[in-house]
Amino acid sequence: GDSVTQMEGPVTLSEEAFLTINCTYTATGYPSLFWYVQYPGEGLQLLLKATKADDKGSNKGFEATYRKETTSFHLEKGSVQVSDSAVYFCALSDSTDKLIFGTGTRLQVFP
Amino acid sequence: KAGVTQTPRYLIKTRGQQVTLSCSPISGHRSVSWYQQTPGQGLQFLFEYFSETQRNKGNFPGRFSGRQFSNSRSEMNVSTLELGDSALYLCASSLEAYAGLDTQYFGPGTRLTVL
Repeated sequence: GDSVTQMEGPVTLSEEAFLTINCTYTATGYPSLFWYVQYPGEGLQLLLKATKADDKGSNKGFEATYRKETTSFHLEKGSVQVSDSAVYFCALSDSTDKLIFGTGTRLQVFP
Repeated sequence: KAGVTQTPRYLIKTRGQQVTLSCSPISGHRSVSWYQQTPGQGLQFLFEYFSETQRNKGNFPGRFSGRQFSNSRSEMNVSTLELGDSALYLCASSLEAYAGLDTQYFGPGTRLTVL
């Protein structure tokens, strides 16, 4: 079945460092791809999404590009802040329109 | 506009009991989905309701059930609780039923502990 694989965490960075969280997927058809973020004690929030190949999703300085040839949707940010500390989930919508999530990557940013 | 609300936020039950969790979607949203989040299995889709009908279902045993009311509020029920049912249960709502195109808004979750 469809699946999402993302890098193990935690990812530990200093403030203003460059962030990359890798995400690759396996899917039949042409899924939409998402990044969700979960802050401590809260539910998930949609960070960005892309619905077709070569689309770039962006929000709050975060970006991810839908790469069909490498089946990837890596999350990047040029300069992280302490407030970005959270758990980040990559997800896809499968052929039956369910959301399939990766295992999540914890990001810790220190001042 | 109020967000997705879930009640209760925390729940402690013992094995063999049953539990009902409630979710109120954002006003105007007709689709409600439920997810189970555990450290071992991550986020797993339980089921989705749209206009009072179950439209999609994940791979969970029949002990897990749900329903949606005419005002789009949804409940999920777990019968004969097992220790492994301890998890954060998340509800998400969206305007329409298509997860691939429509943004899902998540509630804060209900933390269920089974002793």
